[in-house]
Amino acid sequence: EPEVTQTPSHQVTQMGQEVILRCVPISNHLYFYWYRQILGQKVEFLVSFYNNEISEKSEIFDDQFSVERPDGSNFTLKIRSTKLEDSAMYFCASRWDRGTDTQYFGPGTRLTVL
Amino acid sequence: DAKTTQPTSMDCAEGRAANLPCNHSTISGNEYVYWYRQIHSQGPQYIIHGLKNNETNEMASLIITEDRKSSTLILPHATLRDTAVYYCIVRVGVEYGNKLVFGAGTILRVKS
Repeated sequence: EPEVTQTPSHQVTQMGQEVILRCVPISNHLYFYWYRQILGQKVEFLVSFYNNEISEKSEIFDDQFSVERPDGSNFTLKIRSTKLEDSAMYFCASRWDRGTDTQYFGPGTRLTVL
Repeated sequence: DAKTTQPTSMDCAEGRAANLPCNHSTISGNEYVYWYRQIHSQGPQYIIHGLKNNETNEMASLIITEDRKSSTLILPHATLRDTAVYYCIVRVGVEYGNKLVFGAGTILRVKS
């Protein structure tokens, strides 16, 4: 069964450094999402992406964040200058276009900012 | 999207049916009920969704009341691996880039 994959599974970085989290959505899916979950808190929406542009973003998704689909398979989340409060699990999700609205999530990347 | 209310936690004996309730009294006619679960810190896993008819798949059944103000997710024979946080989410279906809004969910503990 097709699945969303994410790399790395765990990323440790120093405050102020740039990080790129990578996702490979399910093939032929057209909508892509990033969510995050701070330890012990709810899963929060960050951004949705369709047709090579952001379709919606939350207040969390400020100028420090960016997303890109650099090729036909990868979907990336970049944090330009990480802060301690960026430490969280980051989940990528994807959705097909027609017939179903179901979003399928990847296993997540645990980001630790020191 | 309509707000949902779920119990904070529930216990279930292994092998028995787990019935997880969800209240969504302000649901609109075009809003679907979705259920996801999250095992430990893994990515949320889709379980099932429905509009007004009851639905069943290989994982669970979804019972939606006739007035659509509440629903119940049924895991027919719960196992220890079903211990997870279960999220009931109400949202408009198939539109552009619609996000999922997660609440606190119900912590289901399946006990042997």
